Amino acid sequence: EVQLVESGGGLVQPGRSLRLSCAASGFTFDDYAMHWVRQAPGKGLEWVSGISWNSGSTGYADSVKGRFTISRDNAKNSLYLQMNSLRAEDTALYYCAKGIFGVPTGAFDIWGQGTMVTVSS
Amino acid sequence: EIVMTQSPATLSVSPGERATLSCRASQSVSSNLAWYQQKPGQAPRLLIYGASTRATGIPARFSGSGSGTEFTLTISSLQSEDFAVYYCQQYNNWPPCTFGQGTKLEIK
Repeated sequence: EVQLVESGGGLVQPGRSLRLSCAASGFTFDDYAMHWVRQAPGKGLEWVSGISWNSGSTGYADSVKGRFTISRDNAKNSLYLQMNSLRAEDTALYYCAKGIFGVPTGAFDIWGQGTMVTVSS
Repeated sequence: EIVMTQSPATLSVSPGERATLSCRASQSVSSNLAWYQQKPGQAPRLLIYGASTRATGIPARFSGSGSGTEFTLTISSLQSEDFAVYYCQQYNNWPPCTFGQGTKLEIK
């Protein structure tokens, strides 16, 4: 079964850090780009970051650039998002999503169930 | 950054009828557009990519059309399970890829 399982969310104070993980199974992980997409409570979808199959290309939304870092470990079939200097506006459900191509320019055909990040003092 | 604008914000349609959802890009995205369906408490599901290609397992009542800046998602005969929020997404200019604000399809 094709599956993405996120972990690492939780309650964190403003200015602190958090690292999200996404474990992939059921497909050849290192063939595809991967992304993080977030959804604030009651709001729409916001793309956060993406990475190509070989980590050669990464991209970030302006809202997180310089604070968040995406990475992947193809040997472990895992995707990560290091989130530093967290702000209240980063509060959201964070989804891991699989791209349909190895490069990040493409739709997202598999999504995890998300991990909730709450930034509050 | 390309801005995606969806209309209407809410669409009320009766089961069995046709629903037409629109998405407009602030500049051309060619055919690099996807549609997603999201039900409450669930992750989004890919319906259409490349503006008109149905994703695996998506029923034929879902169809996409358009190119450039104007796109349409049509659901030919609404089933009860189709009432949800629908998002369009452009991936022509990356980064970033951008989503529309969503259209809520509700039962009339």
